[in-house]
Amino acid sequence: DAKTTQPNSMESNEEEPVHLPCNHSTISGTDYIHWYRQLPSQGPEYVIHGLTSNVNNRMASLAIAEDRKSSTLILHRATLRDAAVYYCILRLRNSGNTPLVFGKGTRLSVIA
Amino acid sequence: KAGVTQTPRYLIKTRGQQVTLSCSPISGHRSVSWYQQTPGQGLQFLFEYFSETQRNKGNFPGRFSGRQFSNSRSEMNVSTLELGDSALYLCASSLGLRDYEQYFGPGTRLTVT
Repeated sequence: DAKTTQPNSMESNEEEPVHLPCNHSTISGTDYIHWYRQLPSQGPEYVIHGLTSNVNNRMASLAIAEDRKSSTLILHRATLRDAAVYYCILRLRNSGNTPLVFGKGTRLSVIA
Repeated sequence: KAGVTQTPRYLIKTRGQQVTLSCSPISGHRSVSWYQQTPGQGLQFLFEYFSETQRNKGNFPGRFSGRQFSNSRSEMNVSTLELGDSALYLCASSLGLRDYEQYFGPGTRLTVT
């Protein structure tokens, strides 16, 4: 399986943008980039996913490098409720419901 | 609509016993996956069911098993419990095999003493 590399932890001030990086240098053309997050004492929660183009939804934006070897999850205005572990995951395209392979993720702390 | 529910939320068992955990997916979802989360190993995939059939299995011993019922509800069973089985067991559901979003339940916290 293609691997992802994320920083262990990051810190942000409340109401400021947060850029969470993910490196995936061995990504294949058929891999989607997914982001999930896990808030304290909860199960993981889907955030966003993309293939080649940048993606936006109500929770976040996903910026994908032109060579697809890296991506960045952008939280436009961090709130205290965004404090969580963020996981960047690669999933094969159209391969059925392949299991999610979680790495260690990035623990985001938000300071009031 | 209601999210994924898991019962029980907390469980304490003794080594050598067996345990059954239950998961009710979101209404209309037909795929259920199970994951184990421990501080040391993180989140690891156990197995996935779709239409009452196991479609994928992770690298866990045969003591871990599961099944899915016709209403998509799923159970997982762990026999001959070991101390290392203490973990948070998470269930996730999705609409089908080609859907990308998985919706997780709150998990069952299993403690083996």
